[in-house]
Amino acid sequence: SQTIHQWPATLVQPVGSPLSLECTVEGTSNPNLYWYRQAAGRGLQLLFYSVGIGQISSEVPQNLSASRPQDRQFILSSKKLLLSDSGFYLCAWSRAQGAGNTIYFGEGSWLTVV
Amino acid sequence: QKEVEQDPGPLSVPEGAIVSLNCTYSNSAFQYFMWYRQYSRKGPELLMYTYSSGNKEDGRFTAQVDKSSKYISLFIRDSQPSDSATYLCAMSRTGANSKLTFGKGITLSVRP
Repeated sequence: SQTIHQWPATLVQPVGSPLSLECTVEGTSNPNLYWYRQAAGRGLQLLFYSVGIGQISSEVPQNLSASRPQDRQFILSSKKLLLSDSGFYLCAWSRAQGAGNTIYFGEGSWLTVV
Repeated sequence: QKEVEQDPGPLSVPEGAIVSLNCTYSNSAFQYFMWYRQYSRKGPELLMYTYSSGNKEDGRFTAQVDKSSKYISLFIRDSQPSDSATYLCAMSRTGANSKLTFGKGITLSVRP
């Protein structure tokens, strides 16, 4: 069966510090990978998605970047965090040819920028 | 008009009640419809998945799609306190890399 791991689960970072959130998927190959942010009252916002190694599409211009160094690894980064980067970050995957592109989420990472 | 609208809630019901959660959408190209359940401070989990119009039942949960009205529903029978969570509707067009469009979610509380 497929599993998705995301870490760290919680972190508190000062403004201006760097960020690295990591996500790995097991039990499947060549998945589509996603980073979402969820803010209270604003729903799920798609930040980045990737259909293959080194292929990253950005949905929203922002202070964040993503990378996919390996087939089942997805990393969300920032060089300098802003207060507005606080939120709940979710990694997700879907089968590349899956019907309806059902996506499966990780447990999420709570980021507080202080 | 947003592509997907979901009642903002919150919704509070007594244990055993029948719950109806609804979403409307504007894009007639949507063919796949999903409901996700999200417990507090956790990632969303897929609850129900349907293709095109019709009903799908899974235990106490029934998903209903009415494409002519661009309206989808999730019914929960005999609601339990463990059903207390945020429910998000999601939908997508056909195509391998079509992305999901989510509703904002509604928080349900089932009182013992």
